[in-house]
Amino acid sequence: DSGVTQTPKHLITATGQRVTLRCSPRSGDLSVYWYQQSLDQGLQFLIHYYNGEERAKGNILERFSAQQFPDLHSELNLSSLELGDSALYFCASSSQGASGNTIYFGEGSWLTVV
Amino acid sequence: QKEVEQDPGPLSVPEGAIVSLNCTYSNSAFQYFMWYRQYSRKGPELLMYTYSSGNKEDGRFTAQVDKSSKYISLFIRDSQPSDSATYLCAMSFSGNTGKLIFGQGTTLQVKP
Repeated sequence: DSGVTQTPKHLITATGQRVTLRCSPRSGDLSVYWYQQSLDQGLQFLIHYYNGEERAKGNILERFSAQQFPDLHSELNLSSLELGDSALYFCASSSQGASGNTIYFGEGSWLTVV
Repeated sequence: QKEVEQDPGPLSVPEGAIVSLNCTYSNSAFQYFMWYRQYSRKGPELLMYTYSSGNKEDGRFTAQVDKSSKYISLFIRDSQPSDSATYLCAMSFSGNTGKLIFGQGTTLQVKP
């Protein structure tokens, strides 16, 4: 168990809908990262938040947005969903901005868009 | 061309074999190199971490980085059925963005 908690574990929704994925980082970690894993694109970095502020952005669609709250939990909002958004969404955390050696991944949220 | 290339396999070996997993990359600015293990429907788990070129050993696992060839490897000695998983290489630049660039992953099956 990495200590990173993600909810929900699975969800199925229709095209055009909006969903929110939630992440609680490891205790004490200030950085939260979101990644998307799909069969065709692999595991891709979406966004990084540090102590409530956006630090880096990757291949995140404009239909997607994220935020980190004062209690350090984070939410990833996905709107106007398309079939191609079906993927496994991971949250990860670290104590500070990290280059890889201290990033811990959660178990992921499986999103199926039908 | 992807920044990080990794043969997806699958790779099937008998128990006890030495496994070699590899990735090539195109961007010479990568400084940090990692190997993650991912079991089916689980989150990636960090196995090995290397900064710049060189070798690193941890138990049955050895990671090698050759920056001149833009090539990294993970060796698993005395492979076990419990090593059956997908292995992902990942790389990052200097700086603290947490942006990791992953390979596609190689699926490994170790048969008893």
